Amino acid sequence: SQQGEEDPQALSIQEGENATMNCSYKTSINNLQWYRQNSGRGLVHLILIRSNEREKHSGRLRVTLDTSKKSSSLLITASRAADTASYFCATSGGWGKFQFGAGTQVVVTP
Amino acid sequence: SQTIHQWPATLVQPVGSPLSLECTVEGTSNPNLYWYRQAAGRGLQLLFYSVGIGQISSEVPQNLSASRPQDRQFILSSKKLLLSDSGFYLCAWRKQLLSSGANVLTFGAGSRLTVL
Repeated sequence: SQQGEEDPQALSIQEGENATMNCSYKTSINNLQWYRQNSGRGLVHLILIRSNEREKHSGRLRVTLDTSKKSSSLLITASRAADTASYFCATSGGWGKFQFGAGTQVVVTP
Repeated sequence: SQTIHQWPATLVQPVGSPLSLECTVEGTSNPNLYWYRQAAGRGLQLLFYSVGIGQISSEVPQNLSASRPQDRQFILSSKKLLLSDSGFYLCAWRKQLLSSGANVLTFGAGSRLTVL
């Protein structure tokens, strides 16, 4: 079963708006990561947040982590058409395994 | 620089035929390598994980097998493909971030397999 589950499954917004997606996980983690996948391509790592961090920023990305609720959120501010992609959260557990959620498909329209 | 290559990019195979997908990594040694499968519109399913030559961990019983004949080469195979083997196959290697020391995955471009 998937460790992380993203919500919503799909999100449609206009350029300039913010996009927020959530991720829930089940077990203890060392860190939580967010990846982006353009259609038909491999995933690209975006940002990582450690279990002892609550918030992290990178450019237009903001990630929060609530370990008590086993959840994380990814906020993309001032969305652009180029942000259209699927976004996945992933958790890193024992033995170097990475578990991915089902992803949130984001469509940004001009 | 460190790069990861996958081929072929696209493959259409009949049911019952064999499969071989190859993944190679450049610019690093003794990488941890992964094979994931992604069904259409779905998340990633971990298939195999390798920490070194000849060391393969199978995560899900499948009609698939993996081999690591060389340090930077990871091969996904099947003797007889099933319709359910169709999907997007992604190879990845575990990379350590210089900024934090944490490990993240770097993915290849993927191999799309259609079994007819």
